[in-house]
Amino acid sequence: GEDVEQSLFLSVREGDSSVINCTYTDSSSTYLYWYKQEPGAGLQLLTYIFSNMDMKQDQRLTVLLNKKDKHLSLRIADTQTGDSAIYFCAEASGYSTLTFGKGTMLLVSP
Amino acid sequence: EPEVTQTPSHQVTQMGQEVILRCVPISNHLYFYWYRQILGQKVEFLVSFYNNEISEKSEIFDDQFSVERPDGSNFTLKIRSTKLEDSAMYFCASSVQDFGADTQYFGPGTRLTVL
Repeated sequence: GEDVEQSLFLSVREGDSSVINCTYTDSSSTYLYWYKQEPGAGLQLLTYIFSNMDMKQDQRLTVLLNKKDKHLSLRIADTQTGDSAIYFCAEASGYSTLTFGKGTMLLVSP
Repeated sequence: EPEVTQTPSHQVTQMGQEVILRCVPISNHLYFYWYRQILGQKVEFLVSFYNNEISEKSEIFDDQFSVERPDGSNFTLKIRSTKLEDSAMYFCASSVQDFGADTQYFGPGTRLTVL
């Protein structure tokens, strides 16, 4: 079945860039997503990218997709303490279901 | 901004008891979903629902689970006889359409603890 893998933890200093990586196995993935989960809150969609795109930029967020290697990354520029959260990579392959990774906990220190 | 709401935020129950988790999807959305996340594990798809029918379900969604849209606003997940391994965070989500980039909006979750 489909699988999505992420590193579990990332620690950065405030003002640095953060890069969270994700790999997936389903070659028929059509959309790939990044969700953010703050403590006690639900999953908030940050951004998504269609599989025929290489890059998408949205303010401080940059998503890079290497479809050949099935690798997705999320770069957060000028990381702030408020960015501390768990970031989930997810993929959809044309149906309604999303397949999620385990999440990467981002800790931003002052 | 419209949002998905879920009640209760935390439910504690005894093994073997029935629980009903409630969700109010965003009002103009047509597709509804339940996911769960066992502590330390991935968010897993349970079921999707459209036009008063289940459209897709995972292997996790066995006969102990059922979903219902009892009125025009609520969407419920019932677990008939809870087991210890049902302890998890349950997320409801909704979307306007079913496919791809149509965003699934998630609620804050209900933490279910089975003792």
